[in-house]
Amino acid sequence: AQSVAQPEDQVNVAEGNPLTVKCTYSVSGNPYLFWYVQYPNRGLQFLLKYITGDNLVKGSYGFEAEFNKSQTSFHLKKPSALVSDSALYFCAVRLNTGNQFYFGTGTSLTVIP
Amino acid sequence: DVKVTQSSRYLVKRTGEKVFLECVQDMDHENMFWYRQDPGLGLRLIYFSYDVKMKEKGDIPEGYSVSREKKERFSLILESASTNQTSMYLCASHYMSRQYFGPGTRLTVT
Repeated sequence: AQSVAQPEDQVNVAEGNPLTVKCTYSVSGNPYLFWYVQYPNRGLQFLLKYITGDNLVKGSYGFEAEFNKSQTSFHLKKPSALVSDSALYFCAVRLNTGNQFYFGTGTSLTVIP
Repeated sequence: DVKVTQSSRYLVKRTGEKVFLECVQDMDHENMFWYRQDPGLGLRLIYFSYDVKMKEKGDIPEGYSVSREKKERFSLILESASTNQTSMYLCASHYMSRQYFGPGTRLTVT
């Protein structure tokens, strides 16, 4: 069975500090990997994706993510957190066959001023 | 820019009512999805559709049905609403390895 794990329900970081939101996955084959962000009472917004190529992917709002095949991880990072980054973050995978996405349970990020 | 709209942001229904949640996308995408989002459980796929009149069950289809009569519209139907269907419902369309989400409908069943 395919699964996506976000081991931290909550991450707190001080404004200006680097942030990391963790994601690991267990799927068969070579997955496509995604990060989405959800602000309160809103739908999910796309941040970035990895399909192939460079393991470091850059996305919206200064976020980036590093694909690590041996550790089956796809951690989201940002060098300097902003208060406005406070939101719920979801990691997702999609198999390279088919269109079904599998989502993690989400990590709530709070950036403290 | 892709736009996915959902008919209601907030909805309150009574137990046993038939409930319709509508989703419309404006980009002629073939694939559309319905998820429910619950704290601690993330997003769980209810149903998806890869073309008009085509549908596939997701991970939690029980108590739900769907309708796709036109390409741009994908409806989720709760045949007889129950309190355990109180949740946030998210619709998405899919194109070029990416999903585009609507704003969500927060449904409360009392």
